[in-house]
Amino acid sequence: SAVISQKPSRDICQRGTSLTIQCQVDSQVTMMFWYRQQPGQSLTLIATANQGSEATYESGFVIDKFPISRPNLTFSTLTVSNMSPEDSSIYLCSVEVGAAEAFFGQGTRLTVV
Amino acid sequence: AQSVTQLGSHVSVSEGALVLLRCNYSSSVPPYLFWYVQYPNQGLQLLLKYTSAATLVKGINGFEAEFKKSETSFHLTKPSAHMSDAAEYFCAVSDGGYNKLIFGAGTRLAVHP
Repeated sequence: SAVISQKPSRDICQRGTSLTIQCQVDSQVTMMFWYRQQPGQSLTLIATANQGSEATYESGFVIDKFPISRPNLTFSTLTVSNMSPEDSSIYLCSVEVGAAEAFFGQGTRLTVV
Repeated sequence: AQSVTQLGSHVSVSEGALVLLRCNYSSSVPPYLFWYVQYPNQGLQLLLKYTSAATLVKGINGFEAEFKKSETSFHLTKPSAHMSDAAEYFCAVSDGGYNKLIFGAGTRLAVHP
């Protein structure tokens, strides 16, 4: 198993600003994933982050809007840049541990006003 | 491309009644299939997973799911609902290569006394 800590758990931000979300895992993992869950909707993968390489973004998501860092095997950050109210969502960090086993953080509930 | 369809965005049952949450998938390769539960204001918790072993998979909290290739289904069941089962349930699929998950839209389960 894996214990994932996300910070902050929630935030209210002004439009036009940026927020960096941190994800810390209690063990070394190869891949980390960032998901977005818009209000009342399912989860959508934003990007996959491997240590030592550029993140791989899914269709509809770009690095300028969602820059990701992965400095080591236990930590990653996701920045939501130049925020607008449409960015109000829950952002979740996920890791793969073992064979096809994904664990999720508690999420960061972002409200943009 | 892989996809997941969850039939019924809201399901309501009485306490003690059978719970049946439906999930159909589309995949060009043998899939890995998952059910996750999300309680209010929390992250996702894995209920159970299918990874090409036994077709009847037992999970936590008394839930189980059966993989039916002929029907491309992976429905979640529980014989007797508890009030504590009220939550959002997500079915997800991956290609097994790595744990990039495609989620269904989710089903909100309500349990009434």
